[in-house]
Amino acid sequence: DVVMTQSPLSLPVTLGQPASISCKSSQSLVHGDGNTYLNWFHQRPGQSPRRLIYKVSNRDSGVPDRFSGSGSGTDFTLKISRVEAEDVGIYYCMQATHWPYTFGQGTKLEIK
Amino acid sequence: EVQLVESGGGLVQPGRSLRLSCAMSGFTFNDNAMHWIRQAPGRGLEWVSGIYGTGGGLGYADSVRGRFTISRDDAKNSLYLQMNSLRSEDTALYYCVKDIGPGGCDLWGRGTLVTVSS
Repeated sequence: DVVMTQSPLSLPVTLGQPASISCKSSQSLVHGDGNTYLNWFHQRPGQSPRRLIYKVSNRDSGVPDRFSGSGSGTDFTLKISRVEAEDVGIYYCMQATHWPYTFGQGTKLEIK
Repeated sequence: EVQLVESGGGLVQPGRSLRLSCAMSGFTFNDNAMHWIRQAPGRGLEWVSGIYGTGGGLGYADSVRGRFTISRDDAKNSLYLQMNSLRSEDTALYYCVKDIGPGGCDLWGRGTLVTVSS
């Protein structure tokens, strides 16, 4: 199975400051169809996860443009340009290139 | 409103069985993949099983392979998870998840809680 490793696991951030989360996979996430199926999710306490980014860098509908995804191969990053209070929660990367799909451990973002 | 609604969770003794259901509504059904993803209390997300559309494949996490069976009834817009030989480590909130657009896993239900305990 593909192992997804996130860092950091805890991310205290001051409001208005940027934040960055790294996600590394144990093997390439480039699919045979040429796409890279790396998604990012945000989960607030008591809520279902919500997908923010799909295929590395595509924002889902309604996701603020302060969120951006980048990377290739085995190395990926989620960036928040200016953290707002509503961004608290846990962020997960997930690969959907290889079955079984696998998630990172999660990164808990909190406001300092 | 586009939604997925899970049902069938509950308290069950170790070694027993449970069947989860997921009903889809509010959109034109397609045969994109559907998944069960679970989250143990206070833990992260774990993909459990997935199934593609008509004639497509299916897969399981190692932790449930041989015990759980995923199926879908396209005529009823429904997804199922038959869970046998349940263990305490299967205790979790089980989410029904569907691929709507590109990328995968973009529509999530609210989850149904399964508790395995004597």
